[in-house]
Amino acid sequence: EDQVTQSPEALRLQEGESSSLNCSYTVSGLRGLFWYRQDPGKGPEFLFTLYSAGEEKEKERLKATLTKKESFLHITAPKPEDSATYLCAVQTSGSRLTFGEGTQLTVNP
Amino acid sequence: EADIYQTPRYLVIGTGKKITLECSQTMGHDKMYWYQQDPGMELHLIHYSYGVNSTEKGDLSSESTVSRIRTEHFPLTLESARPSHTSQYLCASSAGQGAFPGAQYFGPGTRLLVL
Repeated sequence: EDQVTQSPEALRLQEGESSSLNCSYTVSGLRGLFWYRQDPGKGPEFLFTLYSAGEEKEKERLKATLTKKESFLHITAPKPEDSATYLCAVQTSGSRLTFGEGTQLTVNP
Repeated sequence: EADIYQTPRYLVIGTGKKITLECSQTMGHDKMYWYQQDPGMELHLIHYSYGVNSTEKGDLSSESTVSRIRTEHFPLTLESARPSHTSQYLCASSAGQGAFPGAQYFGPGTRLLVL
């Protein structure tokens, strides 16, 4: 059974304080790993797709990396508007995704 | 920005009523999905479709049903709503073929409260 574990569950940062979120996965045959951002009461917003170990993607203050067992979402000099829940999901067979429980990020001004 | 729409956004309804949650996308995606998400919890797949006239049950047992008569439309129906159905329902769609799966794009969600 595919498993996705995200840590920490919650993270509080000061504005400008860089950090990383972790997504560990146990799957049989990874086809893709996805990062999403979710604001309260809204649907997840797609951020990145990573397909193979060593791959990196960047968007503004966010950078996602992938190894054979985990992915990191690095947040550089975060701002209060980066506060959200960040979700990681893996895709193995077909097009179905298995989601982690998310990391709730709060960035204080 | 993804063009996927859900209506209603909020619904409060009494026990025993029949409800249909609407989901439409204008991206021409073949694949569509319904997820259920309780506050602060992970998303659980309840139904998915790989194309017209194709529907499958997901990982989470659900008393709802779905249909896919048109590519752009994927409604979810509860024949008799119960308080246990209270949750947020999220619709998503994706393209992507072969070795590189496409991202799923989500609608804004329908927040359902059954009294």
